[in-house]
Amino acid sequence: GESVGLHLPTLSVQEGDNSIINCAYSNSASDYFIWYKQESGKGPQFIIDIRSNMDKRQGQRVTVLLNKTVKHLSLQIAATQPGDSAVYFCAESPGTASKLTFGTGTRLQVTL
Amino acid sequence: GAVVSQHPSWVICKSGTSVKIECRSLDFQATTMFWYRQFPKQSLMLMATSNEGSKATYEQGVEKDKFLINHASLTLSTLTVTSAHPEDSSFYICSAIGKAIAKNIQYFGAGTRLSVL
Repeated sequence: GESVGLHLPTLSVQEGDNSIINCAYSNSASDYFIWYKQESGKGPQFIIDIRSNMDKRQGQRVTVLLNKTVKHLSLQIAATQPGDSAVYFCAESPGTASKLTFGTGTRLQVTL
Repeated sequence: GAVVSQHPSWVICKSGTSVKIECRSLDFQATTMFWYRQFPKQSLMLMATSNEGSKATYEQGVEKDKFLINHASLTLSTLTVTSAHPEDSSFYICSAIGKAIAKNIQYFGAGTRLSVL
């Protein structure tokens, strides 16, 4: 069936460097994408979203890039901080449906 | 804004008993609430979608008689795990979306860790 997956299960980044977390999706009908951050023992926290009519969207220290040609989504975190350490999930929603399909997750480890 | 509260955060129960988990939207009206299950180091798996005043829609493979969902008001949904068994031990997370907040953004509760002995 359709799925959303990530390339790297664990990413280790030095504090102050930029982080790039990647996500591949297989549902070409996907219209909406979200990145969530989940700290240990907590629920996912919304980071940033993007619709399929855009290829880039920026937030505070974060940027999401969408490449519909290759069905690829990425989250860039600038000047990574220890507080950014968490598991990051991408999720997609086809059309206007609200149901989300989550990717497998990437653990970001920030080293000092 | 967009705060979702989940209670309890952690529950231990004996096998065969039922456990109720509450999910509340504190500062918005939740037109739709979702219930997820998450195993350690794994992703979130959608169990069911719940709309206020109507029956929940369950995902394939989720037993509706075992996981009872009630969405009686625009701010409260409950998940009851009936006759819980050790294999039901997991992290259960709810989320909610509302009309007055950004469309399609699901805001999540902090989760409930269920341990069945």
